[in-house]
Amino acid sequence: KQEVTQIPAALSVPEGENLVLNCSFTDSAIYNLQWFRQDPGKGLTSLLLIQSSQREQTSGRLNASLDKSSGRSTLYIAASQPGDSATYLCAFTDKLIFGTGTRLQVFP
Amino acid sequence: GAVVSQHPSRVICKSGTSVKIECRSLDFQATTMFWYRQFPKKSLMLMATSNEGSKATYEQGVEKDKFLINHASLTLSTLTVTSAHPEDSSFYICSGSAGPGETQYFGPGTRLLVL
Repeated sequence: KQEVTQIPAALSVPEGENLVLNCSFTDSAIYNLQWFRQDPGKGLTSLLLIQSSQREQTSGRLNASLDKSSGRSTLYIAASQPGDSATYLCAFTDKLIFGTGTRLQVFP
Repeated sequence: GAVVSQHPSRVICKSGTSVKIECRSLDFQATTMFWYRQFPKKSLMLMATSNEGSKATYEQGVEKDKFLINHASLTLSTLTVTSAHPEDSSFYICSGSAGPGETQYFGPGTRLLVL
């Protein structure tokens, strides 16, 4: 059974820092991995999708990488802003398996 | 964890007909329910957010007259795909949350095929 763990569980940083959020999984035979952000009371907002044949995807200040051999995906956030404060989830969306989440707070 | 069910799990319909999908929270009161659609590349996209007793809030690009959402009780939300067309064929997933900041619990999804 696929287990997905995100580290750290919570992170609080000053504005401007570059961040790395980690997502570890146990089953390397994955399909597609998607990163989401969740704001309180809101639905999941899709950030990046990495298909199993890909190694990374980039969108603006966000970069997500996928290393199946080590069972890990990382979400890199450059030059963090207070508006980035949210909970970030990684998920294997074809199986609807979600990570434990990282709660990020960026303070001015 | 809390349980969310969806019915039906799979439905096939003819083009032009309407299809209703139910989402139920079985052991908690879901003040907010979310509807997602899974696309061919398996990405999950939020369609709309519904709060019990209120009109749903639709994401940009989602036709509210095409995808009717009703959240009449704290345990039931419905998504009706009206005048379905083959391009509406997809996997629809709902989730429920007991309140702001609370965990979203996902249903198992409904596979819709429009012929």
